[in-house]
Amino acid sequence: GQQVMQIPQYQHVQEGEDFTTYCNSSTTLSNIQWYKQRPGGHPVFLIQLVKSGEVKKQKRLTFQFGEAKKNSSLHITATQTTDVGTYFCAEPKGNDKIIFGKGTRLHILP
Amino acid sequence: DGGITQSPKYLFRKEGQNVTLSCEQNLNHDAMYWYRQDPGQGLRLIYYSQIVNDFQKGDIAEGYSVSREKKESFPLTVTSAQKNPTAFYLCASWGRTITGELFFGEGSRLTVL
Repeated sequence: GQQVMQIPQYQHVQEGEDFTTYCNSSTTLSNIQWYKQRPGGHPVFLIQLVKSGEVKKQKRLTFQFGEAKKNSSLHITATQTTDVGTYFCAEPKGNDKIIFGKGTRLHILP
Repeated sequence: DGGITQSPKYLFRKEGQNVTLSCEQNLNHDAMYWYRQDPGQGLRLIYYSQIVNDFQKGDIAEGYSVSREKKESFPLTVTSAQKNPTAFYLCASWGRTITGELFFGEGSRLTVL
């Protein structure tokens, strides 16, 4: 079953506010991926984190991988309406399969 | 253009009928996957295949069947044994590139009446 726990399940923010979603695991992760799914769409890959303590940025998005490789976060600065959607973390299991968290659904209030 | 094609996009069926969802990819990926998505449940793995003529059960395989006769194709059959088949079904492929990303099709929304 799923081993990556994602919180919160839902988040409403005012446009321009920041947003963060967290992904936690009871076991050490080899690496972690993040995906975004727009309403009515399909998941699209955002990034993969591999190294302990890794921080990567994509414009207003900042991704972090914990020092113990048991947690990860996605932070969006100054949200825009285009950020609406569901954000998933996902754990690749070896070279075999990828298991997804339940996702955080982000709503932006204008 | 390389990608994954799922069909049909929307499907309505009566209870007790088997349904087959198509998934074709031209990305030359070895691995293919089927996920089911329900509101608030995220993506749950149904079946996956690493190579032709081989596939493995995921976390929720009961009531589903698959085949992998060609590298490009990985159809999913939702059988009458599936207790609650109404859902959004997503097919994906994995090229095991450096970025390790899954590529998804646009999904098939199945409604059982």
